[in-house]
Amino acid sequence: NAGVTQTPKFRILKIGQSMTLQCAQDMNHNYMYWYRQDPGMGLKLIYYSVGAGITDKGEVPNGYNVSRSTTEDFPLRLELAAPSQTSVYFCASSTQGFMAEAFFGQGTRLTVV
Amino acid sequence: AQTVTQSQPEMSVQEAETVTLSCTYDTSESDYYLFWYKQPPSRQMILVIRQEAYKQQNATENRFSVNFQKAAKSFSLKISDSQLGDAAMYFCGSGTYKYIFGTGTRLKVLA
Repeated sequence: NAGVTQTPKFRILKIGQSMTLQCAQDMNHNYMYWYRQDPGMGLKLIYYSVGAGITDKGEVPNGYNVSRSTTEDFPLRLELAAPSQTSVYFCASSTQGFMAEAFFGQGTRLTVV
Repeated sequence: AQTVTQSQPEMSVQEAETVTLSCTYDTSESDYYLFWYKQPPSRQMILVIRQEAYKQQNATENRFSVNFQKAAKSFSLKISDSQLGDAAMYFCGSGTYKYIFGTGTRLKVLA
C-alpha cells in the first residue's frame, strides 16, 4: 500500500536550473495538492487539482507549473530555480478535498545554490 | 481571503498534563472544514482531528478534542494526558477545496 509517493527525497539544484518533482498516488484520489514548507512559516499551498485535466493556483504559485494528465500523477515543475525556492515540498491527495482525510507524501527537500 | 493564525510558536506541557493550542481563522465561505495535523521530526503529516463547520458539536478523537467557536472563528486543540509521543509541530488549517495552514506550534512534552 504505497499511498502518496514523492521523488526525489533530496535534491540540490544550481540557480537557473529546472527540475520536476514527481508525485504519484495509488488510491484513486481526485484531489491533489502541492505545498511548500519553509522554516517557521508553516505550509503554503502552491497548486492544487480537483481531477485529471483541472489545476488551479494556490497561495504561492509564482515560479512553478503543474499538470494533471492522469488521476495518479501530479508533477510540479520548477523553471529557472532561485534560492527563494529552497524549501521542503509536500504533495497530498484525498478523495474529497480535506472533507476526507488528506494523505501526505514524505516530502522532497530541495536546496537551490 | 482565507487566513489561519497560530499565535503560539512554541508550547510546553508536563507529561500526563493537559495543553491547549490556539488557532483562529478567517474565511468568506459559509461551509468549510477545519483540521489539525501533527508533524513529528520524521516530517510525516498526520491528521489529528477534523471538524465540519456546520456541525456545532466539538470533534473528539481519544485524548484530542477541539473547542470550536464559529462566531469567534476560533478552533483550539486540547490534548489531555499528554504523552512523550505527542511532541511535534501542530498545524491548524481550514478551507473547502483549497486548504491553507497556519505557521504551526511546536509542542514540547516534558518528562
